[in-house]
Amino acid sequence: KQEVTQIPAALSVPEGENLVLNCSFTDSAIYNLQWFRQDPGKGLTSLLLIQSSQREQTSGRLNASLDKSSGRSTLYIAASQPGDSATYLCAVGAQLVFGKGTKLTVNP
Amino acid sequence: DAGVIQSPRHEVTEMGQEVTLRCKPISGHDYLFWYRQTMMRGLELLIYFNNNVPIDDSGMPEDRFSAKMPNASFSTLKIQPSEPRDSAVYFCASSLRQGSDTQYFGPGTRLTVL
Repeated sequence: KQEVTQIPAALSVPEGENLVLNCSFTDSAIYNLQWFRQDPGKGLTSLLLIQSSQREQTSGRLNASLDKSSGRSTLYIAASQPGDSATYLCAVGAQLVFGKGTKLTVNP
Repeated sequence: DAGVIQSPRHEVTEMGQEVTLRCKPISGHDYLFWYRQTMMRGLELLIYFNNNVPIDDSGMPEDRFSAKMPNASFSTLKIQPSEPRDSAVYFCASSLRQGSDTQYFGPGTRLTVL
């Protein structure tokens, strides 16, 4: 059974800092991996989707990498802003198995 | 497109009552997913449909839960009878295809069972 772990559970950084969020999964035979953002009281917004054949995806200040052999993915956020404050969730597979997320706070 | 639409946004009911949650997926999407989010268990897939047909309902916790998709633009998740442990946020999501496409989530229904 696929298990997805995100560490840390919460992270607080000053504005402007570059940061990395981590996601690990137990079964490396994955179809794809997605990173989502969830704002309080809201639904999930897809940020990046990495197919199993890809190593990374980039969108603006966000870069996600995938290493299937080690069962890891990272989400890199450059030059963080207070508007980036949210919970970031990693999800694996065609039938999404979610981690519990990392709650990010960017302080002005 | 308006995105995935869910109703109601909030539902408060008493134990034993029937609860029906509704979802309208994005037009043209072939896949529809129902998820439940709790603090303890995080986000869990309950059931998903392809072209209105239920494909995998292994995540449905008990027989008290049922889901239908009578047409391409409407789905319901029903809990009968409801219990306090069913309190959670229920999300509906849709995608063009499974796996290779992004899932688009609705705003969720916050259910409280007293």
